[in-house]
Amino acid sequence: AQSVTQPDIHITVSEGASLELRCNYSYGATPYLFWYVQSPGQGLQLLLKYLSGDTLVQGIKGFEAEFKRSQSSFNLRKPSVHWSDAAEYFCAVGETNAGKSTFGDGTTLTVKP
Amino acid sequence: NAGVTQTPKFQVLKTGQSMTLQCAQDMNHNSMYWYRQDPGMGLRLIYYSASEGTTDKGEVPNGYNVSRLNKREFSLRLESAAPSQTSVYFCASSEWGGRGYNEQFFGPGTRLTVL
Repeated sequence: AQSVTQPDIHITVSEGASLELRCNYSYGATPYLFWYVQSPGQGLQLLLKYLSGDTLVQGIKGFEAEFKRSQSSFNLRKPSVHWSDAAEYFCAVGETNAGKSTFGDGTTLTVKP
Repeated sequence: NAGVTQTPKFQVLKTGQSMTLQCAQDMNHNSMYWYRQDPGMGLRLIYYSASEGTTDKGEVPNGYNVSRLNKREFSLRLESAAPSQTSVYFCASSEWGGRGYNEQFFGPGTRLTVL
């Protein structure tokens, strides 16, 4: 069965610093991979996705992620964090033969002024 | 477009009461989902409907039932609420099948408390 691990429950960074959120997945075939963001009291919003092709994908709000098959990872990065990036971030793997995804437990990002 | 809408936004129930959470999407998606979100546990899939007329159990289906009323609407029913069902419930939809992937669009959530 597929699974997603986000090793960091909580990360704190200073505004303007770089950010990397880790995601490792387990899936038997080539995965579809997603990062979502959730602001307090809101639903989830898609940041970016990897379906195939270029392993470095760009998303909204200046985020990017790199798919590394050899490491079963899909880490999210941003070169300079803004206070408005404080939120909870979820990595997900989409099954290619069924209409559903598996989500990680999430990483909460706090941004220090 | 409203996207995915959910009603109600908040609900308080007593143990043993029943209720139905409503979800509708206006994006003509074929797949719809119900999740629950609890602190530290991410999103757990309760039920999903890959296409109109089909429903399947997810990770945590016990105590819930669903109805895919039509392509737009997918409801979640709690027949006899229990305190363990206190959670935030999210509905989502996606276009899956033809393009093979399932980027999901989420509603704003329903906060349910069972006393």
